[in-house]
Amino acid sequence: GQQLNQSPQSMFIQEGEDVSMNCTSSSIFNTWLWYKQDPGEGPVLLIALYKAGELTSNGRLTAQFGITRKDSFLNISASIPSDVGIYFCASRRDAGNKLTFGGGTRVLVKP
Amino acid sequence: DAGITQSPRHKVTETGTPVTLRCHQTENHRYMYWYRQDPGHGLRLIHYSYGVKDTDKGEVSDGYSVSRSKTEDFLLTLESATSSQTSVYFCAISGGLYNEQFFGPGTRLTVL
Repeated sequence: GQQLNQSPQSMFIQEGEDVSMNCTSSSIFNTWLWYKQDPGEGPVLLIALYKAGELTSNGRLTAQFGITRKDSFLNISASIPSDVGIYFCASRRDAGNKLTFGGGTRVLVKP
Repeated sequence: DAGITQSPRHKVTETGTPVTLRCHQTENHRYMYWYRQDPGHGLRLIHYSYGVKDTDKGEVSDGYSVSRSKTEDFLLTLESATSSQTSVYFCAISGGLYNEQFFGPGTRLTVL
């Protein structure tokens, strides 16, 4: 079936750093979504992208819908401790509502 | 926050017993979904509903059934729970202009 390859699987951040993660697929998608999940909670929608090439920001977060429609990236600028968590990409291929999820990027704070 | 609640939030049960998880929404959205989340597998769709009494299978539907008799409630039933169904279960809803999915807080189920 459809698969989203999300990388890196995990990363350490230091306060103030900019970090980036991405999601790729061999299939074309019409919508890319980025979610964040804190421990013990459900995923929360951060950013939604609907057009190839679209660049959207939400505070310190910026995401882009790849021009080939097969990838997306999420940047976090000037990271802070509360940015820790698991970030998931998700995408939708057709008019249906079913999403495909990436495996997640776990963001941790450098000790 | 989308108005989604799940109950119970935690449950421990024994192999072979029936279990029902409830998802309740106050958004009047048409679509509702059940996912399970396991380490190494991410979020996987179990079943979804596109209206009252209208449901369909997801990618991991074996051993699960669902029912939706009212717009606001979507029930997930494990007829005879197995240890492989130990997981965290999330409900999601979607509707509105872009139909994006919003998730509930989750139910942690342990089958002993």
